[in-house]
Amino acid sequence: QVQLRESGPGLVKPSETLSLTCTVSGDSIISYDHYWSWIRQPPGKGLEYIAYMFYSGRTFYNPSLNSRGTISLDTANNQFSVKLNSVTAADTAVYYCVRGTGYYESSGHYFDRGAFDYWGQGILVSVSS
Amino acid sequence: EIVLTQSPATLSLSPGERATLSCRASQSVSSHLAWYQQKPGQAPRLLIYGASRRATGITDKFSGSGSETDFTLTISRLEPEDFAVYYCQQYDTSLLTFGGGTNVEMK
Repeated sequence: QVQLRESGPGLVKPSETLSLTCTVSGDSIISYDHYWSWIRQPPGKGLEYIAYMFYSGRTFYNPSLNSRGTISLDTANNQFSVKLNSVTAADTAVYYCVRGTGYYESSGHYFDRGAFDYWGQGILVSVSS
Repeated sequence: EIVLTQSPATLSLSPGERATLSCRASQSVSSHLAWYQQKPGQAPRLLIYGASRRATGITDKFSGSGSETDFTLTISRLEPEDFAVYYCQQYDTSLLTFGGGTNVEMK
């Protein structure tokens, strides 16, 4: 049973750095079939990805974050993390760590950036002084 | 950035009825589209990927169709546990995007 669990502070002050860690169980982050992502959801709003990373090292950030984010994998502890610096109230959200999975299309082509099949329960992070 | 527009924003239906949700992409995403269900206080749950493939453990009550720019999620007969918000998401481009969601509420 694959499980992801977010951990980190629930309150961060404006202009400081938000740091979250995701602990993965039931699967190894050392995998070429999956990729690891952080997605957030402001209260009452929709979903937005922050960043995602493949074990190969390929990394993608949402341009809307203006280069404030950093994602990393910790293979020794089977965890992955995200840092978001210079936070403002607009960064208040539930943050989810998520696994994405590749798959073979009907053409036989392997698409490695598939849908998000396992989600953590989410952690609410509020930005306030 | 590919914009996904979901309609309607709210769908009011009764248990037993059929729900048809739409997701339109601002440019082609091929079949690289997923659907998620989210209930209050819970994380989203993957229902459909590849536009029409059901995720593991998802009942055939849920079906997806479409390609390129127009996609549909159909819930054949609504049960009380199906009332939730549904999101579509494209993963065709590296800049992943989600639709704004459709709230399926009980009439």
